[in-house]
Amino acid sequence: SQTIHQWPATLVQPVGSPLSLECTVEGTSNPNLYWYRQAAGRGLQLLFYSVGIGQISSEVPQNLSASRPQDRQFILSSKKLLLSDSGFYLCAWSRPGTGNGELFFGEGSRLTVL
Amino acid sequence: GEDVEQSLFLSVREGDSSVINCTYTDSSSTYLYWYKQEPGAGLQLLTYIFSNMDMKQDQRLTVLLNKKDKHLSLRIADTQTGDSAIYFCAERGSGGYQKVTFGTGTKLQVIP
Repeated sequence: SQTIHQWPATLVQPVGSPLSLECTVEGTSNPNLYWYRQAAGRGLQLLFYSVGIGQISSEVPQNLSASRPQDRQFILSSKKLLLSDSGFYLCAWSRPGTGNGELFFGEGSRLTVL
Repeated sequence: GEDVEQSLFLSVREGDSSVINCTYTDSSSTYLYWYKQEPGAGLQLLTYIFSNMDMKQDQRLTVLLNKKDKHLSLRIADTQTGDSAIYFCAERGSGGYQKVTFGTGTKLQVIP
């Protein structure tokens, strides 16, 4: 069966510090990978998606970047965090190709920037 | 761009039916989804409907799709306290990437 893990679950960081959130998927090959941010009252905002190793697309301009160094690993980074980067970050994967497009989410990482 | 809208909050009594509504703008949507988020957790797919259907029933859940009005609803029959969660409406476009756009989520509170 497929599983998705993301860590850390909770993070408190000062403004200007770097960030690295990691996500790995097991039990599947060549998944589509996603990073979403959930801010209070604003729903889910797609930040990045990837259809393959080294292939990253950004949905919104921001202070964050993403990388996919391996097929089932997706990393969200920042060199210098801003207060506005606080939120709940969710990694997700989906099967490539046709199908119902179901997204499988990790448990989330709550980031507080002080 | 695509937009999906939902009311932010719904309160119902245990045993009553809940109806959560959603509107979307993408006329080329292929699939529409309802995801459920428990407190402090990720989202899980609850049910989905293909765009050429107008209704789907799955046990206590009924999904209605009005494609003309771009309106989607989720009805939960005999709502239980365990149904308290945030419910997200989402739609999938038909472009090459088939991006999924989520609504803001509706927080369902079930009163015992």
